[in-house]
Amino acid sequence: DSGVTQTPKHLITATGQRVTLRCSPRSGDLSVYWYQQSLDQGLQFLIQYYNGEERAKGNILERFSAQQFPDLHSELNLSSLELGDSALYFCASSVDGGITDTQYFGPGTRLTVL
Amino acid sequence: GQQVMQIPQYQHVQEGEDFTTYCNSSTTLSNIQWYKQRPGGHPVFLIQLVKSGEVKKQKRLTFQFGEAKKNSSLHITATQTTDVGTYFCAGGEITGANNLFFGTGTRLTVIP
Repeated sequence: DSGVTQTPKHLITATGQRVTLRCSPRSGDLSVYWYQQSLDQGLQFLIQYYNGEERAKGNILERFSAQQFPDLHSELNLSSLELGDSALYFCASSVDGGITDTQYFGPGTRLTVL
Repeated sequence: GQQVMQIPQYQHVQEGEDFTTYCNSSTTLSNIQWYKQRPGGHPVFLIQLVKSGEVKKQKRLTFQFGEAKKNSSLHITATQTTDVGTYFCAGGEITGANNLFFGTGTRLTVIP
């Protein structure tokens, strides 16, 4: 158990819909990362937050948005969903968001878009 | 932009054989991390290398960081069925954006 929690574990929805994925970082970690992992694919970095502020942005689609709240939990919002958005979405956290930090991954949310 | 490639993408070995995965970056890295993802699981941190030419060992696993800090390797001696999973490297940019670039991963299957 990494100490990072993600809800829900599974999500099934239809094209065109909007969903919200939630992540709670490890106690004491200030930085949160979001990754997308499609079937047989690597980890695609989406976005990083540090203490409520966006720190780095990867290949995140305009239909996707995220935020980190004052209590440090984070939410990833996916809208106008397409079949190709079906994937495993991981949240990770680290102490201060530096590139030498160890990232602790949550169990992931599996999103299926039908 | 920075890219981190890993080869091979897939590797099947007989239990007891050795295994190596290679990680190559198009630019010089400040550091490299390795993660392991078991089937159905999430990535778990294994190790970090920071110095040019650095070599670190964890039991049967040997990690190397190239002299030019553009490549890295993970070697497993005498694989066991518990080594099954996907191994990812992740490199940090030496300048610029403050994020790690994950490699494409190598999926290891160990045949008992």
